[in-house]
Parts: sequence; structure tokens; C-alpha cells
Amino acid sequence: GDSVTQMEGPVTLSEEAFLTINCTYTATGYPSLFWYVQYPGEGLQLLLKATKADDKGSNKGFEATYRKETTSFHLEKGSVQVSDSAVYFCALYNYGQNFVFGPGTRLSVLP
Amino acid sequence: DTAVSQTPKYLVTQMGNDKSIKCEQNLGHDTMYWYKQDSKKFLKIMFSYNNKELIINETVPNRFSPKSPDKAHLNLHINSLELGDSAVYFCASSHAGGTEAFFGQGTRLTVV
Repeated sequence: GDSVTQMEGPVTLSEEAFLTINCTYTATGYPSLFWYVQYPGEGLQLLLKATKADDKGSNKGFEATYRKETTSFHLEKGSVQVSDSAVYFCALYNYGQNFVFGPGTRLSVLP
Repeated sequence: DTAVSQTPKYLVTQMGNDKSIKCEQNLGHDTMYWYKQDSKKFLKIMFSYNNKELIINETVPNRFSPKSPDKAHLNLHINSLELGDSAVYFCASSHAGGTEAFFGQGTRLTVV
């Protein structure tokens, strides 16, 4: 079945550092890809998405590019803030199936 | 207006009890889901349901059952609760094409 793999956390960075969280997937066909963020005590919120190869999703300074050749969707941000501290989930969706989530990566940003 | 709402937010109960968690969405979506999030934050699909079909994750014990009175609601019933059922349960919804899933705030279930 479809699956998503993310880099293990936790990731601890200083404010204004560059962030990369790796995500790779295994799926049939052409899934849509997502990054969700979960702040403490809250539900998941969509951060960005891409629906086809070479699409770039972006939001709040975060970016990820759908790379079909490497089956990857790495999340990047040029300068993280303390308020970015959260758990980040990579996910995919194939039509008619469920959203499949990676295990999540906890990010802590120190002032 | 809350797009996907779950009640209660916290639920503490004894082993062996039966409980329900309610979920409602006002987005006009035709597909709803229940996910279980364990203590390590891993999200596992339990059910997905649209007005035509219920898809059950075969690893989910039959003590768990979804009930959908209408397209906007998907409630989760749990019978004979066990300690291992303690987790955060999330309801979500989307259009059938899966353009985006919207999540509720979660229900933290603690079985004692």
C-alpha cells in the first residue's frame, strides 16, 4: 500500500536557521502531496500542497516541490521562528483512498 | 464558524465502558474520516466514509464502529473500552477528490 517516510525528529534549530525536513513516498499512480502542521493541543492544519509533478507548494515562508523522479516532497524554510515550533506531517492522497500520513517530525526553534 | 467540530475535547472513562465521540462538518464535504493518533504522534486511519461506502481499516477492532446519521456527521462509538484505546482521536473531512483534508481539534481519550 501507499506509504510516507519522514526524517526522524526531533529537530532543534536556532531562530533564523534554515530548515529542511525530508519526505519520501511510495504510491501507485499520481498522488497529491501535502504538508500539515500540528501545534500543541490542536488539530492538523494544511500548510501547503502540490497536486502534480514539479508543482511547488508554498505558504508562510515554507516551500516544497513535488519531485516524481525521486518520489520526494521535502519541506524547506529559509529562516525559522520560535512560532514555527510544532509537529510537521507529510501526507499523500490517491483518488478514492485515504490520506496517508508520515510519522511526523517535531521541530523546536530556540530563541 | 468551526469547519470540523468534535465533542468532547477530553474524555476520561473506566475500562469496560462504552463511549461515543461526535463529529460534525459544515463544509459540504462528502467524505469523512476517523484517525487515531498515538502517544508518538503517529496517525492511523480507522475509517473513511462517504454517502455510498464505508471503508474500514481491517486492523481496527470491531469494538469501534462509525455511525453516520447524515452527510455532515460521523460519530465514533467504542464498546468495552480498554487501556490501549487511550489516544487522541481526530475526525476529518474532504471532498471525494481529496484536494485537502480538514481536521477537528481532536478528542483526547483516557481510559483508566
